[in-house]
Amino acid sequence: SQKIEQNSEALNIQEGKTATLTCNYTNYSPAYLQWYRQDPGRGPVFLLLIRENEKEKRKERLKVTFDTTLKQSLFHITASQPADSATYLCAPDTGGFKTIFGAGTRLFVKA
Amino acid sequence: DAGVTQSPTHLIKTRGQQVTLRCSPKSGHDTVSWYQQALGQGPQFIFQYYEEEERQRGNFPDRFSGHQFPNYSSELNVNALLLGDSALYLCASSFWTSGGDTQYFGPGTRLTVL
Repeated sequence: SQKIEQNSEALNIQEGKTATLTCNYTNYSPAYLQWYRQDPGRGPVFLLLIRENEKEKRKERLKVTFDTTLKQSLFHITASQPADSATYLCAPDTGGFKTIFGAGTRLFVKA
Repeated sequence: DAGVTQSPTHLIKTRGQQVTLRCSPKSGHDTVSWYQQALGQGPQFIFQYYEEEERQRGNFPDRFSGHQFPNYSSELNVNALLLGDSALYLCASSFWTSGGDTQYFGPGTRLTVL
């Protein structure tokens, strides 16, 4: 069955450093992959979508890579700020109408 | 432009009862998906509605049912509530394209089953 793995441990980093989050998937080949941010008690918010023919995508301080050979996406936040503290969810395309989310990685940025 | 809205915000029910949750999609969106999110987990796909039909369903029992209205708003119904149904229920709307289904989520309804 399709499976998504994200860092289960929370990531703690110092303000100003780069945070790197990992999303690994198995048993399917997504045409694209999405990243969402979720704050406690709120709905996820879309951040970036990267397609299989794109190696890297950037949006302000965010950068996403997509390696279809490794079946992995990396999500980077450069010059991190305390306001970046949240849970980050990845969602690879399933080829249908169903979206499967990873369990998410909790990021804490200390001032 | 209002985003996705959900009602109610919070709900407390007892085992065996039935509940209806409501969702209004973002303006211009025609597709509504429902998710269940337990604490510490990612959202789990329940089903998606498009053109008033259930288009795809996740691994949820028939106790979970839904409806989409002509104005694209949607309801999620859960019958015979179990303690394990306690969760945050999220509605997400999108405008379907073949290039990727970016979803806009509502704030969720927190359901507690006692």
